[in-house]
Amino acid sequence: EVQLVESGGGLVQPGRSLRLSCAASGVTFDDYAMHWVRQAPGKGLEWVSGISWNSGKVGSADSVKGRFTISRDNARKSLYLQMNSLRVEDTALYYCAKDKSESGYMSGWFDYWGQGTQVTVSS
Amino acid sequence: SYELTQPPSVSVSPGQTASITCSGDKLGNKYACWYQQKTGQSPVLVIYQDNKRPSGIPERFSGSNSGNTATLTISGTQAMDEADYYCQAWDSSSGAVFGTGTKVTVL
Repeated sequence: EVQLVESGGGLVQPGRSLRLSCAASGVTFDDYAMHWVRQAPGKGLEWVSGISWNSGKVGSADSVKGRFTISRDNARKSLYLQMNSLRVEDTALYYCAKDKSESGYMSGWFDYWGQGTQVTVSS
Repeated sequence: SYELTQPPSVSVSPGQTASITCSGDKLGNKYACWYQQKTGQSPVLVIYQDNKRPSGIPERFSGSNSGNTATLTISGTQAMDEADYYCQAWDSSSGAVFGTGTKVTVL
């Protein structure tokens, strides 16, 4: 059974940094692209960033470009999101999601999701 | 940036058919997928590549995509189908784009 477990969330002041992690199990991690998706309280889903199987292709939403960096460690079966210069509007539940495509590249279909880690940006 | 628009809410009686639309410029030229999110839970993929169902998703869920509109249809709607539904497509410039979301209420 595929499991994705996020960690690293918390309360942080505007302008500070936070690093999220996602540990995968039950899946050949390096066969698939991976993504981060967030959901602000009471709001809809927003794609944050994605990364191909070998880290050769990455993409990010305009709202986080230049501030957030996605990375992965296939040996550790882990996905990361380095979040710098955090803003109040980054407050959300951050989900780690597995891409469904077996090509290893981003198809944008997310077939497994973690339970999320809460990030709150407030002074 | 690319945008996908959904109706805020859809109401359906048990056993009837619910249809949820998702509108976007030339959406039919992209693949659409749909997620179900129940209160307090993570999203679940119910339709991908316009009309394919992942393993474990009931046959009452179906999808179509043509022109500027993708549609998720729930046939024989059950109380357990009450949830928020999001469409999503991949745009070459914007990456993954989610729709605005539709709350389905089973009355």
